[in-house]
Amino acid sequence: AQSVTQLDSQVPVFEEAPVELRCNYSSSVSVYLFWYVQYPNQGLQLLLKYLSGSTLVKGINGFEAEFNKSQTSFHLRKPSVHISDTAEYFCAAKWIYNQGGKLIFGQGTELSVKP
Amino acid sequence: NAGVTQTPKFQVLKTGQSMTLQCAQDMNHEYMSWYRQDPGMGLRLIHYSVGAGITDQGEVPNGYNVSRSTTEDFPLRLLSAAPSQTSVYFCASSYGQANYEQYFGPGTRLTVT
Repeated sequence: AQSVTQLDSQVPVFEEAPVELRCNYSSSVSVYLFWYVQYPNQGLQLLLKYLSGSTLVKGINGFEAEFNKSQTSFHLRKPSVHISDTAEYFCAAKWIYNQGGKLIFGQGTELSVKP
Repeated sequence: NAGVTQTPKFQVLKTGQSMTLQCAQDMNHEYMSWYRQDPGMGLRLIHYSVGAGITDQGEVPNGYNVSRSTTEDFPLRLLSAAPSQTSVYFCASSYGQANYEQYFGPGTRLTVT
């Protein structure tokens, strides 16, 4: 079965430092990729998505991600984080020709931004 | 638009009790789904629906039932609650299965004692 793996369960970082949250997925064939953010006690919001075209995708709140087909990765980056970025981040993938196009989530990464 | 709404926000059940988690959306979305979120496991798909009258199982369907009589509503029923069903439940919707962005509700936190 197809799968999504987030390599870090927790990432602590100081305010204004850069951050990278890592995500790998099982196959680059007909895959669409997403990053969602979940603030404490809230539902999930879409940060960005890759469907096709440019491999560098820009999202909300200054986040961006790069689709790397050969390394099957879709890492999320931000050059300078704020306290308000503290949240849990989920990578997700959808394989159109497999698993009925269902959205498969990674385990989540808790980003903790310290002053 | 209210988006995706879920009720209740919190619920405590005793083992063996049944209950229904409500989900509604006002965006005329065809595709709706239920997930459960457990620490370290991300979100796992329980059931989904591609339109009124059509439902299918996801990754972890056991112990749950769904129905979709209208486009707007997609309730999730726990038939006989078990402690293993203690979790946070999220409902989501999108324009279609092929449409890519899912909109999530605020979640229901369920504890089964």
